[in-house]
Amino acid sequence: AQSVTQPDIHITVSEGASLELRCNYSYGATPYLFWYVQSPGQGLQLLLKYFSGDTLVQGIKGFEAEFKRSQSSFNLRKPSVHWSDAAEYFCAVDMFSGGYNKLIFGAGTRLAVHP
Amino acid sequence: GAVVSQHPSRVICKSGTSVKIECRSLDFQATTMFWYRQFPKQSLMLMATSNEGSKATYEQGVEKDKFLINHASLTLSTLTVTSAHPEDSSFYICSARDWEAPLQETQYFGPGTRLLVL
Repeated sequence: AQSVTQPDIHITVSEGASLELRCNYSYGATPYLFWYVQSPGQGLQLLLKYFSGDTLVQGIKGFEAEFKRSQSSFNLRKPSVHWSDAAEYFCAVDMFSGGYNKLIFGAGTRLAVHP
Repeated sequence: GAVVSQHPSRVICKSGTSVKIECRSLDFQATTMFWYRQFPKQSLMLMATSNEGSKATYEQGVEKDKFLINHASLTLSTLTVTSAHPEDSSFYICSARDWEAPLQETQYFGPGTRLLVL
């Protein structure tokens, strides 16, 4: 079955520390991959996306993600976290299902940042 | 560019009434729009895919007669929650694909509408 898994529901890091949020997917074809961030009560903001080419993609706010086909993963990283990064992060995969393309979201990872 | 708006941002209504939520692509044309529902501290669940000029495609388990979707133009889709009940209280988010973008696969999300049914 097609699915997106974010194993970590909550992550807490100290400000200035590095961050890695995990994302694994199950999909038979080459996926289009996305990371979105959601602040409380807000819509989603696109951080970065991977369609093809270089497997290490750079996004906004200093985030990057690496697509690893062999591991079916698309983990999000940031070398130094800022307090303003505290939010909910969603990994999503654009899949062809039921006759059309649609985004399937992971359950999300809530990031807390300690000063 | 690629801004999607929703109106209203927040609505409170009485049980049994209907509520209409608008989703607009402000600076691009969107032949396809999506409606999602998000419960507190949960992920987004796709409710339906809306194509301009045709009927919406609903996901399994979503009542099409309760959640009416209209996509009358390339910049506007509406979701009407009919005969709303407290269990319909949720955060509703729309998104749109930019038809003319080189990579149409990117969806742009609206800010969401919080619905509270009393």
